[in-house]
Formats: sequence, structure tokens, C-alpha cells
Amino acid sequence: QSVLTQAPSVSGTPGQRVTISCSGSNSNIGSNYVYWYQQLPGSAPKLLIQRKNQRPSGVPDRFSASKSGTSASLAISGLRSEDEAAYFCSTWDDSLSSPVFGGGTKLTVL
Amino acid sequence: QVQLVQSGAEVKKPGASVDVSCKASGYSFTAYYIHWVRQAPGKGLEWMGWINPHSGVANYAQKFQGRVSMTRDTSVSTAYVELTRLTSDDTAVYFCARDGQTTTGPYYYNAMDVWGQGTTVSVS
Repeated sequence: QSVLTQAPSVSGTPGQRVTISCSGSNSNIGSNYVYWYQQLPGSAPKLLIQRKNQRPSGVPDRFSASKSGTSASLAISGLRSEDEAAYFCSTWDDSLSSPVFGGGTKLTVL
Repeated sequence: QVQLVQSGAEVKKPGASVDVSCKASGYSFTAYYIHWVRQAPGKGLEWMGWINPHSGVANYAQKFQGRVSMTRDTSVSTAYVELTRLTSDDTAVYFCARDGQTTTGPYYYNAMDVWGQGTTVSVS
């Protein structure tokens, strides 16, 4: 049972815009930065969104993130086949004094 | 380039211990915190703890207290995690990851910006 809640799966067609949501509480998302990771099949996770919704070098601007209250979301526009992966949200939890992750959302590009 | 290279796959019997290493290159090893995160088959990511390579101080997730030990050898820029009293529930891919937070100040989760390739640990 993950501290942050994500839908198990989402799908879209090439060129479409999809949104992946992440729900938490005041002790985590509500008071800390949210990070997003992409995990391609059989690979290690890769940082997609860092502090203040910024993208690390090399991450295309098709990926964007936002936060409102105790929820966060990752948007992917102009969907491409290579975006098919699992996406994890993560943040610090003040109550647990530890980083926490969502259960991950598997994106399928139809 | 900045990278973390982990040791190879391990197969262990229940009750045994496992050591996984994580060698850093391309940056100052002691300048950034290192996390250990694991992923059971078909499951999500689970944080195990972090180590400050500069001081050697480690902080463990409550779940692993008493069973995990994180150390480092600055002479070879390598971090280690040891997990004892293994059960089948410990079967997972173990990742090390660099935190963007520098060790010059108190710890603050600043995203895991570089990841090792993962080490598969099978317990059966």
C-alpha cells in the first residue's frame, strides 16, 4: 500500500495529451515538492520532473507537471510510442520523515 | 559522465544476508547523498534509506531498521547496502540513486537524479 495514490494504468493514442494524477495528504504533497520518474520496461527509473516542476536537461517540454493542494499531476502532450512506460510520483513525507512514492501508473500508447 | 554502476545479480537462501555495491563516477562521491530503493517484481518503488557519503551517517526506513546497514568506502567511491535475515519478500531489484541534495547542509529530499542500473536479488 503506497502512501501516494496513482491510478494503475492510463492509455492514449499518438499525438494525444494524457494526464497522470497523484494524490497524497498535507504531510507530503501538501507541503513538499513533487518529483516524477519515468521507468521504461526493464530499466531503472529516470528523473523526469525536479524541484519547482522543472525538467532536467534532455527531458522534452512535452512533459509538464503541476500541483494543487494535496494532489499533483503529470501531463504528457504529443504522445509518442516511446513514452510507453511506468510513471511514479514522489515527495517527502513530514510525518514519516522519508521520501515516499506512488504505486506507479503504467502508460500504454495504443 | 555521471553514473552509478551496481554489482551483479545475487541468489540467496532464506535467512542469509546480501551485499550490493554501487560505484560512483563522474562526480565528487562525497558531495551528494545516496539512496537505496527496491522494487519487487511487478510492484512499485520502496525507499530503504540514505547514506551521507561524506560523514558516513545513514538513515533507514522504519521497515528495515535492525536488518539493513548502509556503508561507504570513499577511497573507491562506492556505497554498499547489506540486508540480513532474507525472506522471499526481499526478492526485488535493488537500486542506488544519487540525491540532488549536497552533503554540505542538512538532508532535504531533492529528487533522485542519477540511478544505478539495478541489482536483482532473488531469495529462494
